Amino acid sequence: DAGITQSPRHKVTETGTPVTLRCHQTENHRYMYWYRQDPGHGLRLIHYSYGVKDTDKGEVSDGYSVSRSKTEDFLLTLESATSSQTSVYFCAISESRLAGPNTGELFFGEGSRLTVL
Amino acid sequence: SQKIEQNSEALNIQEGKTATLTCNYTNYSPAYLQWYRQDPGRGPVFLLLIRENEKEKRKERLKVTFDTTLKQSLFHITASQPADSATYLCALDGPTGNQFYFGTGTSLTVIP
Repeated sequence: DAGITQSPRHKVTETGTPVTLRCHQTENHRYMYWYRQDPGHGLRLIHYSYGVKDTDKGEVSDGYSVSRSKTEDFLLTLESATSSQTSVYFCAISESRLAGPNTGELFFGEGSRLTVL
Repeated sequence: SQKIEQNSEALNIQEGKTATLTCNYTNYSPAYLQWYRQDPGRGPVFLLLIRENEKEKRKERLKVTFDTTLKQSLFHITASQPADSATYLCALDGPTGNQFYFGTGTSLTVIP
């Protein structure tokens, strides 16, 4: 299994509080992603990173920010959590872009279940 | 943005039969299409990639087709087994090639 660790795995918080989810990898992969998964919506991309300090928005980035100060860590922050952000959050990593023989395979973490009351 | 649709209903099939799952997309044509498997409470696991210039790709009991005219990919599991029961997700590369967008997934149950 790819070395990806998400923390915390479970968190319950209250509306309006800040929350930070951490993704740590030991694979030295360049690309890192944060997705959220909700019934009926599947996996939706929040933010991704293509290098240290290089990040970009995905399709559902409002209310979220990210930071990547080291290759191995990608942090997802909810500045002021809302009930609509209750979800399962997945971090994923990829070694390379889709090109040539590369499959662009994503390796996923085990997920972080966040409940915002 | 890309809209990706997979079988909305769960699929139940008898062991030994072939399961066929669909993935339809609108808007831009992806250069690559991936299929993943997800078990309950776990993250998705990569299965196969097919490129736009490939019509078919096989891996053991798995077969994927990619029809850019129909904007559709079909995912087949032959000689299905109860262990194949899971949710299957298709994913398409985004416009810049750095992002991946997923369908909602199809739940497959193989009945012994």
